Amino acid sequence: SQELEQSPQSLIVQEGKNLTINCTSSKTLYGLYWYKQKYGEGLIFLMMLQKGGEEKSHEKITAKLDEKKQQSSLHITASQPSHAGIYLCGADGGFQKLVFGTGTRLLVSP
Amino acid sequence: EAQVTQNPRYLITVTGKKLTVTCSQNMNHEYMSWYRQDPGLGLRQIYYSMNVEVTDKGDVPEGYKVSRKEKRNFPLILESPSPNQTSLYFCASSLFGAPEKLFFGSGTQLSVL
Repeated sequence: SQELEQSPQSLIVQEGKNLTINCTSSKTLYGLYWYKQKYGEGLIFLMMLQKGGEEKSHEKITAKLDEKKQQSSLHITASQPSHAGIYLCGADGGFQKLVFGTGTRLLVSP
Repeated sequence: EAQVTQNPRYLITVTGKKLTVTCSQNMNHEYMSWYRQDPGLGLRQIYYSMNVEVTDKGDVPEGYKVSRKEKRNFPLILESPSPNQTSLYFCASSLFGAPEKLFFGSGTQLSVL
Protein backbone atom coordinates (compact mmCIF):
# COMPACT_ATOMS: atom_id res chain seq x y z
CA SER A 1 0.00 0.00 0.00
CA GLN A 2 1.02 3.58 -0.54
CA GLU A 3 3.03 5.12 2.29
CA LEU A 4 4.17 8.71 2.54
CA GLU A 5 6.95 9.86 4.78
CA GLN A 6 7.37 13.53 5.59
CA SER A 7 10.41 15.31 6.91
CA PRO A 8 11.04 17.06 9.10
CA GLN A 9 8.31 16.14 11.57
CA SER A 10 8.45 19.63 13.04
CA LEU A 11 10.14 22.87 12.22
CA ILE A 12 10.62 26.19 13.94
CA VAL A 13 11.84 29.02 11.73
CA GLN A 14 12.35 32.69 12.28
CA GLU A 15 10.02 34.99 10.41
CA GLY A 16 11.46 35.89 7.04
CA LYS A 17 13.47 32.70 6.64
CA ASN A 18 12.98 30.14 3.90
CA LEU A 19 12.13 26.51 4.58
CA THR A 20 11.56 23.23 2.79
CA ILE A 21 9.36 20.27 3.66
CA ASN A 22 9.82 16.92 1.97
CA CYS A 23 7.43 14.11 1.15
CA THR A 24 8.78 10.75 0.02
CA SER A 25 6.69 7.94 -1.37
CA SER A 26 7.23 4.21 -1.31
CA LYS A 27 5.69 4.00 -4.78
CA THR A 28 5.49 6.08 -7.92
CA LEU A 29 3.21 9.03 -7.42
CA TYR A 30 0.48 9.61 -9.98
CA GLY A 31 -0.85 12.61 -8.17
CA LEU A 32 0.55 14.39 -5.15
CA TYR A 33 -1.55 16.77 -3.07
CA TRP A 34 -0.38 19.31 -0.54
CA TYR A 35 -2.70 20.46 2.23
CA LYS A 36 -2.32 22.84 5.12
CA GLN A 37 -4.05 22.31 8.45
CA LYS A 38 -4.34 25.01 11.05
CA TYR A 39 -4.04 23.51 14.50
CA GLY A 40 -7.25 21.64 15.38
CA GLU A 41 -8.99 22.67 12.17
CA GLY A 42 -9.75 21.25 8.76
CA LEU A 43 -7.39 20.78 5.86
CA ILE A 44 -7.09 23.38 3.15
CA PHE A 45 -6.00 22.34 -0.32
CA LEU A 46 -2.80 24.04 -1.50
CA MET A 47 -1.64 22.38 -4.70
CA MET A 48 -1.72 19.25 -6.80
CA LEU A 49 1.18 17.90 -8.85
CA GLN A 50 0.91 15.17 -11.43
CA LYS A 51 3.80 15.21 -13.86
CA GLY A 52 7.43 14.40 -13.17
CA GLY A 53 9.40 17.63 -12.85
CA GLU A 54 6.26 19.68 -12.35
CA GLU A 55 6.46 22.81 -10.23
CA LYS A 56 3.64 25.03 -9.02
CA SER A 57 3.62 28.20 -7.01
CA HIS A 58 1.01 30.09 -5.06
CA GLU A 59 2.02 33.29 -3.35
CA LYS A 60 5.17 32.36 -1.45
CA ILE A 61 4.71 28.60 -1.54
CA THR A 62 6.28 26.45 -4.25
CA ALA A 63 5.77 22.72 -4.64
CA LYS A 64 7.78 20.39 -6.87
CA LEU A 65 7.49 16.78 -7.91
CA ASP A 66 10.74 15.10 -8.87
CA GLU A 67 11.32 13.48 -12.25
CA LYS A 68 11.01 9.97 -10.86
CA LYS A 69 7.73 10.95 -9.20
CA GLN A 70 8.63 9.55 -5.81
CA GLN A 71 9.45 12.70 -3.93
CA SER A 72 7.88 16.10 -3.56
CA SER A 73 9.05 19.21 -1.78
CA LEU A 74 7.21 22.24 -0.50
CA HIS A 75 9.23 25.40 -0.23
CA ILE A 76 8.14 28.54 1.59
CA THR A 77 9.98 31.77 0.86
CA ALA A 78 10.23 34.54 3.46
CA SER A 79 8.04 32.77 6.01
CA GLN A 80 5.35 34.66 7.91
CA PRO A 81 3.35 33.82 11.05
CA SER A 82 0.38 33.06 8.77
CA HIS A 83 2.33 30.12 7.35
CA ALA A 84 2.27 28.33 10.70
CA GLY A 85 0.33 25.07 10.80
CA ILE A 86 0.63 21.45 9.80
CA TYR A 87 1.51 20.63 6.22
CA LEU A 88 0.41 17.28 4.86
CA CYS A 89 1.12 15.58 1.60
CA GLY A 90 -1.44 13.18 0.17
CA ALA A 91 -1.53 10.66 -2.65
CA ASP A 92 -3.81 8.13 -4.26
CA GLY A 93 -4.15 5.21 -1.88
CA GLY A 94 -6.43 3.19 -4.13
CA PHE A 95 -10.00 2.22 -3.24
CA GLN A 96 -11.25 5.79 -3.45
CA LYS A 97 -9.10 7.27 -0.75
CA LEU A 98 -6.33 9.74 -0.29
CA VAL A 99 -3.51 8.57 1.96
CA PHE A 100 -1.58 11.17 3.89
CA GLY A 101 1.81 11.59 5.40
CA THR A 102 1.92 12.18 9.15
CA GLY A 103 2.50 15.86 8.61
CA THR A 104 5.08 18.54 9.32
CA ARG A 105 4.35 21.01 12.10
CA LEU A 106 5.61 24.47 11.28
CA LEU A 107 6.04 27.27 13.79
CA VAL A 108 7.17 30.71 12.68
CA SER A 109 8.70 32.81 15.39
CA PRO A 110 8.59 36.62 15.23
CA GLU B 1 -20.13 29.92 0.20
CA ALA B 2 -18.99 26.44 -0.84
CA GLN B 3 -18.29 24.42 2.25
CA VAL B 4 -18.42 21.18 4.20
CA THR B 5 -20.15 21.65 7.54
CA GLN B 6 -19.61 19.31 10.46
CA ASN B 7 -21.40 19.34 13.78
CA PRO B 8 -20.69 19.36 16.60
CA ARG B 9 -17.26 20.93 16.75
CA TYR B 10 -16.49 19.37 20.12
CA LEU B 11 -18.13 16.43 21.82
CA ILE B 12 -17.49 14.72 25.14
CA THR B 13 -19.43 11.56 25.83
CA VAL B 14 -19.31 8.36 27.85
CA THR B 15 -18.66 4.80 26.77
CA GLY B 16 -21.66 3.16 25.16
CA LYS B 17 -23.79 6.23 24.56
CA LYS B 18 -24.78 6.36 20.89
CA LEU B 19 -23.85 9.51 19.02
CA THR B 20 -24.03 10.98 15.53
CA VAL B 21 -21.68 13.46 13.92
CA THR B 22 -23.34 15.25 11.05
CA CYS B 23 -21.73 16.30 7.79
CA SER B 24 -23.29 18.35 5.04
CA GLN B 25 -21.88 19.79 1.81
CA ASN B 26 -23.44 22.40 -0.48
CA MET B 27 -21.35 21.76 -3.59
CA ASN B 28 -23.40 18.96 -5.13
CA HIS B 29 -20.45 16.60 -4.72
CA GLU B 30 -20.89 12.92 -5.50
CA TYR B 31 -18.15 11.68 -3.20
CA MET B 32 -18.03 12.04 0.59
CA SER B 33 -15.71 10.47 3.12
CA TRP B 34 -14.89 10.31 6.81
CA TYR B 35 -11.36 10.37 8.24
CA ARG B 36 -10.02 10.23 11.75
CA GLN B 37 -6.77 11.88 12.76
CA ASP B 38 -4.64 10.55 15.60
CA PRO B 39 -1.16 11.60 16.76
CA GLY B 40 1.53 9.50 15.15
CA LEU B 41 -0.98 7.73 12.90
CA GLY B 42 -2.03 10.59 10.70
CA LEU B 43 -5.31 10.62 8.81
CA ARG B 44 -7.05 7.32 8.19
CA GLN B 45 -10.19 6.80 6.16
CA ILE B 46 -13.19 5.32 7.99
CA TYR B 47 -15.90 5.12 5.30
CA TYR B 48 -16.62 6.70 1.98
CA SER B 49 -19.59 7.12 -0.33
CA MET B 50 -19.56 7.46 -4.09
CA ASN B 51 -23.20 8.48 -4.34
CA VAL B 52 -26.57 8.24 -2.65
CA GLU B 53 -27.11 4.82 -1.09
CA VAL B 54 -23.57 3.74 -2.04
CA THR B 55 -21.14 3.43 0.86
CA ASP B 56 -18.03 1.39 1.44
CA LYS B 57 -15.50 0.70 4.17
CA GLY B 58 -12.21 2.49 4.43
CA ASP B 59 -9.20 1.39 6.45
CA VAL B 60 -10.67 1.64 9.95
CA PRO B 61 -14.46 1.05 9.78
CA GLU B 62 -14.87 -1.01 12.97
CA GLY B 63 -17.23 0.62 15.44
CA TYR B 64 -18.67 3.10 12.93
CA LYS B 65 -21.69 3.29 10.68
CA VAL B 66 -22.61 5.73 7.95
CA SER B 67 -25.57 6.43 5.74
CA ARG B 68 -26.07 8.41 2.53
CA LYS B 69 -29.78 8.95 2.06
CA GLU B 70 -29.33 12.37 0.49
CA LYS B 71 -26.52 13.63 -1.67
CA ARG B 72 -25.59 16.48 0.63
CA ASN B 73 -25.51 14.60 3.95
CA PHE B 74 -23.19 11.89 5.23
CA PRO B 75 -23.56 11.34 8.97
CA LEU B 76 -21.12 9.26 11.01
CA ILE B 77 -22.73 7.10 13.66
CA LEU B 78 -21.04 5.56 16.68
CA GLU B 79 -23.50 3.03 18.06
CA SER B 80 -21.51 2.23 21.19
CA PRO B 81 -18.52 4.55 21.50
CA SER B 82 -15.38 3.37 23.26
CA PRO B 83 -12.36 5.33 24.53
CA ASN B 84 -10.24 4.20 21.56
CA GLN B 85 -12.58 6.21 19.34
CA THR B 86 -11.41 9.41 20.98
CA SER B 87 -10.04 11.29 17.99
CA LEU B 88 -10.34 14.26 15.65
CA TYR B 89 -12.82 13.44 12.89
CA PHE B 90 -13.02 15.04 9.46
CA CYS B 91 -15.62 14.84 6.78
CA ALA B 92 -14.49 15.49 3.23
CA SER B 93 -16.12 15.70 -0.19
CA SER B 94 -15.14 15.97 -3.82
CA LEU B 95 -16.92 16.23 -7.12
CA PHE B 96 -16.45 12.69 -8.39
CA GLY B 97 -14.16 10.73 -6.08
CA ALA B 98 -10.71 10.36 -4.61
CA PRO B 99 -7.98 11.19 -5.01
CA GLU B 100 -9.32 14.39 -6.48
CA LYS B 101 -9.03 17.63 -4.60
CA LEU B 102 -10.90 17.08 -1.36
CA PHE B 103 -12.80 19.74 0.55
CA PHE B 104 -12.66 19.20 4.31
CA GLY B 105 -14.92 20.17 7.15
CA SER B 106 -13.51 21.95 10.21
CA GLY B 107 -13.38 18.76 12.23
CA THR B 108 -15.07 17.25 15.29
CA GLN B 109 -12.98 16.63 18.36
CA LEU B 110 -14.52 13.63 20.12
CA SER B 111 -13.61 12.46 23.61
CA VAL B 112 -15.07 9.21 24.90
CA LEU B 113 -14.69 8.76 28.66
